[in-house]
Amino acid sequence: GAVVSQHPSWVICKSGTSVKIECRSLDFQATTMFWYRQFPKQSLMLMATSNEGSKATYEQGVEKDKFLINHASLTLSTLTVTSAHPEDSSFYICSARVMRGNNEQFFGPGTRLTVL
Amino acid sequence: LAKTTQPISMDSYEGQEVNITCSHNNIATNDYITWYQQFPSQGPRFIIQGYKTKVTNEVASLFIPADRKSSTLSLPRVSLSDTAVYYCLVGDVIKAAGNKLTFGGGTRVLVKP
Repeated sequence: GAVVSQHPSWVICKSGTSVKIECRSLDFQATTMFWYRQFPKQSLMLMATSNEGSKATYEQGVEKDKFLINHASLTLSTLTVTSAHPEDSSFYICSARVMRGNNEQFFGPGTRLTVL
Repeated sequence: LAKTTQPISMDSYEGQEVNITCSHNNIATNDYITWYQQFPSQGPRFIIQGYKTKVTNEVASLFIPADRKSSTLSLPRVSLSDTAVYYCLVGDVIKAAGNKLTFGGGTRVLVKP
Protein backbone atom coordinates (compact mmCIF):
# COMPACT_ATOMS: atom_id res chain seq x y z
CA GLY A 1 0.00 0.00 0.00
CA ALA A 2 0.90 3.65 -0.18
CA VAL A 3 3.21 4.79 2.60
CA VAL A 4 3.84 8.32 3.80
CA SER A 5 6.65 9.13 6.19
CA GLN A 6 7.42 12.19 8.24
CA HIS A 7 10.68 13.36 9.72
CA PRO A 8 11.31 14.03 12.48
CA SER A 9 8.70 12.18 14.51
CA TRP A 10 9.17 14.66 17.32
CA VAL A 11 11.17 17.81 17.90
CA ILE A 12 11.77 20.12 20.82
CA CYS A 13 13.07 23.59 20.10
CA LYS A 14 13.60 26.94 21.76
CA SER A 15 11.26 29.83 21.15
CA GLY A 16 12.33 31.90 18.17
CA THR A 17 13.97 29.11 16.21
CA SER A 18 12.73 27.61 12.97
CA VAL A 19 11.83 23.97 12.52
CA LYS A 20 11.54 22.02 9.27
CA ILE A 21 9.29 18.98 8.96
CA GLU A 22 9.56 16.66 5.97
CA CYS A 23 6.76 14.64 4.42
CA ARG A 24 7.65 11.93 1.92
CA SER A 25 5.57 9.58 -0.18
CA LEU A 26 7.71 6.45 -0.20
CA ASP A 27 6.23 4.30 -2.93
CA PHE A 28 4.14 6.63 -5.02
CA GLN A 29 4.19 10.08 -6.52
CA ALA A 30 2.03 12.81 -5.14
CA THR A 31 1.38 16.05 -6.94
CA THR A 32 -0.68 17.18 -3.97
CA MET A 33 0.12 16.91 -0.29
CA PHE A 34 -1.76 18.39 2.62
CA TRP A 35 -0.59 19.71 5.98
CA TYR A 36 -2.74 19.46 9.09
CA ARG A 37 -2.32 20.59 12.66
CA GLN A 38 -3.89 18.89 15.65
CA PHE A 39 -4.00 20.19 19.19
CA PRO A 40 -4.58 17.81 22.12
CA LYS A 41 -8.07 16.33 22.27
CA GLN A 42 -9.04 18.19 19.11
CA SER A 43 -9.64 17.23 15.51
CA LEU A 44 -7.29 17.71 12.60
CA MET A 45 -7.31 21.16 11.08
CA LEU A 46 -6.19 21.61 7.50
CA MET A 47 -3.48 24.24 7.25
CA ALA A 48 -2.54 24.21 3.60
CA THR A 49 -2.51 22.33 0.34
CA SER A 50 0.92 21.75 -1.13
CA ASN A 51 1.19 21.45 -4.91
CA GLU A 52 4.33 20.21 -6.60
CA GLY A 53 6.04 22.97 -8.50
CA SER A 54 3.72 25.75 -7.40
CA LYS A 55 2.83 27.82 -4.38
CA ALA A 56 0.91 26.29 -1.56
CA THR A 57 -2.69 27.22 -0.89
CA TYR A 58 -3.29 28.22 2.70
CA GLU A 59 -6.50 27.93 4.65
CA GLN A 60 -8.05 31.03 6.12
CA GLY A 61 -6.30 32.14 9.27
CA VAL A 62 -3.04 30.31 8.58
CA GLU A 63 -0.06 32.64 8.19
CA LYS A 64 1.83 31.74 5.04
CA ASP A 65 4.94 33.62 6.14
CA LYS A 66 5.07 31.68 9.37
CA PHE A 67 4.36 28.25 7.94
CA LEU A 68 6.51 27.95 4.84
CA ILE A 69 5.66 25.07 2.54
CA ASN A 70 7.85 23.77 -0.25
CA HIS A 71 6.89 20.93 -2.58
CA ALA A 72 9.99 20.60 -4.68
CA SER A 73 9.45 17.07 -5.96
CA LEU A 74 6.67 14.56 -6.48
CA THR A 75 7.66 12.72 -3.31
CA LEU A 76 8.65 15.45 -0.87
CA SER A 77 6.92 18.37 0.79
CA THR A 78 8.39 20.35 3.66
CA LEU A 79 6.76 22.52 6.28
CA THR A 80 8.95 25.07 8.05
CA VAL A 81 7.63 26.68 11.18
CA THR A 82 9.50 29.97 11.33
CA SER A 83 10.24 31.76 14.59
CA ALA A 84 8.36 29.16 16.54
CA HIS A 85 6.61 30.08 19.76
CA PRO A 86 5.05 27.92 22.48
CA GLU A 87 1.60 28.36 20.95
CA ASP A 88 2.90 26.60 17.83
CA SER A 89 3.40 23.44 19.85
CA SER A 90 1.17 20.88 18.23
CA PHE A 91 0.98 17.63 16.29
CA TYR A 92 1.63 18.24 12.60
CA ILE A 93 0.37 15.66 10.14
CA CYS A 94 0.81 15.50 6.40
CA SER A 95 -1.08 13.49 3.84
CA ALA A 96 -0.41 12.70 0.20
CA ARG A 97 -2.94 12.06 -2.50
CA VAL A 98 -2.50 9.09 -4.79
CA MET A 99 -2.75 10.01 -8.44
CA ARG A 100 -5.01 7.12 -9.41
CA GLY A 101 -8.26 5.44 -8.61
CA ASN A 102 -10.33 7.40 -6.13
CA ASN A 103 -7.53 9.84 -5.29
CA GLU A 104 -7.33 8.47 -1.78
CA GLN A 105 -5.24 10.33 0.75
CA PHE A 106 -2.68 8.55 2.88
CA PHE A 107 -1.52 10.12 6.10
CA GLY A 108 1.90 10.32 7.63
CA PRO A 109 2.57 9.32 11.23
CA GLY A 110 2.74 12.92 12.41
CA THR A 111 5.40 15.13 14.00
CA ARG A 112 5.12 16.31 17.58
CA LEU A 113 6.51 19.83 17.91
CA THR A 114 7.21 21.24 21.35
CA VAL A 115 8.41 24.82 21.59
CA LEU A 116 9.93 25.80 24.91
CA LEU B 1 -18.03 20.34 1.82
CA ALA B 2 -20.84 18.65 3.70
CA LYS B 3 -20.73 19.09 7.46
CA THR B 4 -20.85 15.97 9.59
CA THR B 5 -22.18 15.33 13.07
CA GLN B 6 -21.06 12.38 15.19
CA PRO B 7 -21.41 11.44 18.85
CA ILE B 8 -18.51 12.76 20.88
CA SER B 9 -17.76 9.46 22.57
CA MET B 10 -18.91 5.87 22.95
CA ASP B 11 -17.97 3.15 25.40
CA SER B 12 -18.07 -0.53 24.60
CA TYR B 13 -16.73 -3.85 25.82
CA GLU B 14 -14.49 -6.38 24.17
CA GLY B 15 -16.34 -8.67 21.79
CA GLN B 16 -19.26 -6.33 21.26
CA GLU B 17 -20.29 -4.69 18.03
CA VAL B 18 -19.86 -0.93 17.89
CA ASN B 19 -22.03 1.19 15.63
CA ILE B 20 -21.21 4.85 15.07
CA THR B 21 -23.73 6.95 13.19
CA CYS B 22 -22.74 10.07 11.32
CA SER B 23 -25.22 12.68 10.09
CA HIS B 24 -24.51 14.56 6.86
CA ASN B 25 -27.78 16.17 5.87
CA ASN B 26 -26.40 18.31 3.07
CA ILE B 27 -24.35 15.67 1.32
CA ALA B 28 -23.93 16.41 -2.37
CA THR B 29 -24.59 14.06 -5.25
CA ASN B 30 -20.90 13.49 -5.96
CA ASP B 31 -19.86 13.11 -2.33
CA TYR B 32 -18.46 9.87 -0.99
CA ILE B 33 -18.47 8.92 2.70
CA THR B 34 -15.15 7.99 4.19
CA TRP B 35 -14.21 6.86 7.68
CA TYR B 36 -10.81 7.18 9.27
CA GLN B 37 -9.39 5.80 12.51
CA GLN B 38 -6.82 7.65 14.58
CA PHE B 39 -4.80 6.34 17.49
CA PRO B 40 -3.12 8.79 19.89
CA SER B 41 -0.06 10.48 18.41
CA GLN B 42 -0.53 8.82 15.04
CA GLY B 43 -1.88 9.93 11.68
CA PRO B 44 -5.38 8.90 10.63
CA ARG B 45 -5.80 5.57 8.93
CA PHE B 46 -8.37 4.86 6.22
CA ILE B 47 -11.02 2.35 7.30
CA ILE B 48 -13.74 2.28 4.69
CA GLN B 49 -15.43 4.33 2.01
CA GLY B 50 -18.82 4.11 0.37
CA TYR B 51 -21.33 5.91 -1.78
CA LYS B 52 -24.60 4.09 -1.13
CA THR B 53 -26.12 0.93 0.37
CA LYS B 54 -23.59 -1.27 2.13
CA VAL B 55 -19.87 -1.70 1.93
CA THR B 56 -17.90 -4.31 3.83
CA ASN B 57 -14.20 -4.98 4.16
CA GLU B 58 -12.03 -6.99 6.49
CA VAL B 59 -12.28 -4.52 9.36
CA ALA B 60 -15.69 -2.81 9.15
CA SER B 61 -19.00 -2.36 7.44
CA LEU B 62 -20.55 0.86 6.28
CA PHE B 63 -24.29 1.22 6.01
CA ILE B 64 -25.73 4.07 3.97
CA PRO B 65 -29.51 4.55 3.66
CA ALA B 66 -31.13 5.51 0.40
CA ASP B 67 -31.29 9.23 1.20
CA ARG B 68 -27.56 9.23 2.13
CA LYS B 69 -28.15 11.80 4.85
CA SER B 70 -26.48 9.58 7.38
CA SER B 71 -24.17 6.61 7.55
CA THR B 72 -23.26 4.03 10.17
CA LEU B 73 -19.84 2.54 10.69
CA SER B 74 -20.05 -0.91 12.21
CA LEU B 75 -17.08 -2.48 13.96
CA PRO B 76 -17.73 -6.16 14.67
CA ARG B 77 -16.43 -7.76 17.86
CA VAL B 78 -14.18 -4.95 19.00
CA SER B 79 -11.02 -5.50 20.95
CA LEU B 80 -9.05 -3.23 23.26
CA SER B 81 -6.89 -2.20 20.31
CA ASP B 82 -9.90 -0.65 18.61
CA THR B 83 -9.89 2.14 21.18
CA ALA B 84 -9.38 5.21 19.01
CA VAL B 85 -11.05 8.26 17.51
CA TYR B 86 -13.18 7.60 14.44
CA TYR B 87 -13.81 10.34 11.92
CA CYS B 88 -16.57 10.51 9.35
CA LEU B 89 -15.85 12.63 6.30
CA VAL B 90 -17.86 13.40 3.21
CA GLY B 91 -16.56 14.88 0.01
CA ASP B 92 -16.03 14.42 -3.65
CA VAL B 93 -12.83 12.42 -3.70
CA ILE B 94 -12.67 12.44 -7.47
CA LYS B 95 -12.37 16.14 -8.22
CA ALA B 96 -9.24 17.94 -7.11
CA ALA B 97 -11.02 20.57 -5.05
CA GLY B 98 -13.22 18.03 -3.34
CA ASN B 99 -10.27 16.01 -2.18
CA LYS B 100 -9.58 18.62 0.49
CA LEU B 101 -10.73 16.69 3.52
CA THR B 102 -12.44 18.46 6.40
CA PHE B 103 -12.36 16.61 9.68
CA GLY B 104 -15.19 17.01 12.15
CA GLY B 105 -14.97 16.31 15.82
CA GLY B 106 -14.81 12.55 15.54
CA THR B 107 -16.09 9.91 17.94
CA ARG B 108 -13.84 8.74 20.72
CA VAL B 109 -14.45 5.02 21.19
CA LEU B 110 -13.26 3.38 24.39
CA VAL B 111 -13.26 -0.39 24.49
CA LYS B 112 -13.22 -1.79 27.99
CA PRO B 113 -12.12 -5.28 29.05
